[in-house]
Amino acid sequence: AQSVTQPDIHITVSEGASLELRCNYSYGATPYLFWYVQSPGQGLQLLLKYFSGDTLVQGIKGFEAEFKRSQSSFNLRKPSVHWSDAAEYFCASTLDNYGQNFVFGPGTRLSVLP
Amino acid sequence: NAGVTQTPKFRVLKTGQSMTLLCAQDMNHEYMYWYRQDPGMGLRLIHYSVGEGTTAKGEVPDGYNVSRLKKQNFLLGLESAAPSQTSVYFCASGFQSLTIPAGANVLTFGAGSRLTVL
Repeated sequence: AQSVTQPDIHITVSEGASLELRCNYSYGATPYLFWYVQSPGQGLQLLLKYFSGDTLVQGIKGFEAEFKRSQSSFNLRKPSVHWSDAAEYFCASTLDNYGQNFVFGPGTRLSVLP
Repeated sequence: NAGVTQTPKFRVLKTGQSMTLLCAQDMNHEYMYWYRQDPGMGLRLIHYSVGEGTTAKGEVPDGYNVSRLKKQNFLLGLESAAPSQTSVYFCASGFQSLTIPAGANVLTFGAGSRLTVL
């Protein structure tokens, strides 16, 4: 069965520090990959997506993610974290064009220290 | 442009009561989805619809019913609420983009509805 794992339940970083959130998927083929962010009391907002081509994907709010086929990973990075980045981050994937087949990871909660 | 709107935002029910959550989207999306979000489990798909008048079961459909009588609305019903249905419910809508490779579906989410069943 398809699965998406996010090994870190909760990460705390200082404002201005760099950030990397991990995401691993288990599929036979390369899936479409997404990162969503959920601010407190809000819905999920798409940060970035990977479908094919360049393995380094740029997203909104200064985030980027790198697809590594050999490691089945799609890690999210930001060079300098801002206090407003405190939120929950979800990695998601699907093998096809249909949203009903999206699989979400359990989420990583990011706390930012002043 | 409101996007995806969910009502109500909060609700407390007693075991056995019924209720309906409403999702409305103004983006003319064909696809609509209901998810539940529980701590440590990410989002799990309850039911979905690929067009007006159609519905289908997702990963965790038991105890829920849905209807899509109008393209812009997707209703999630609980006929007899149970404490296990205490959760945050998210609606999403989607379309298949002609500009993205392979026409992949893109999801837009509502702000969520927090339901507590006592």
